[in-house]
Amino acid sequence: GENVEQHPSTLSVQEGDSAVIKCTYSDSASNYFPWYKQELGKRPQLIIDIRSNVGEKKDQRIAVTLNKTAKHFSLHITETQPEDSAVYFCAASNTSGTYKYIFGTGTRLKVLA
Amino acid sequence: NAGVTQTPKFQVLKTGQSMTLQCAQDMNHNSMYWYRQDPGMGLRLIYYSASEGTTDKGEVPNGYNVSRLNKREFSLRLESAAPSQTSVYFCASRRGQDPHQPQHFGDGTRLSIL
Repeated sequence: GENVEQHPSTLSVQEGDSAVIKCTYSDSASNYFPWYKQELGKRPQLIIDIRSNVGEKKDQRIAVTLNKTAKHFSLHITETQPEDSAVYFCAASNTSGTYKYIFGTGTRLKVLA
Repeated sequence: NAGVTQTPKFQVLKTGQSMTLQCAQDMNHNSMYWYRQDPGMGLRLIYYSASEGTTDKGEVPNGYNVSRLNKREFSLRLESAAPSQTSVYFCASRRGQDPHQPQHFGDGTRLSIL
């Protein structure tokens, strides 16, 4: 069935360094890829998304890249800050019918001051 | 706008009890979703409603039922709660007409079953 694999499960970086989280999807019909950030005890919140007709998208310190041939996409956070510490989830969706997401299992990012 | 509102925020049940989790959105969204979140397993889809009047099973529907009461409200029912259903439950909604619109989540319901 449809699957999204996310790595790593935990990631620790020094403040100011970059962080990269990678996801691989199985459904070749997937064409929309959102990323969510979830702080402890809070709701998941969308931080960036990318459509399949785009290879890269940036929003300040956050960027997402997509390789449709290899069926993987990545989240890049530059100049990390302590407030970036959270769990990050990737998801993949195909845009026909029900618009269901398949989520990755999450990456716990710790930014060390 | 409140967005997606879930009630209750916390609940403790005994095995075998029944419970309905409520979800309402005020964004005029067509699609609504129920997820459960367990440590190390991400968000797993229980049921969804692509539009008012329709509901479908997700990845983990066993032990649950849903009702799309109207366009705003989508409830999740546990008929006979089991300890394995201890989890954090999130409701989400999305516009549903533009396929690239994201899902918006509520604050969650933390459910413990003893």
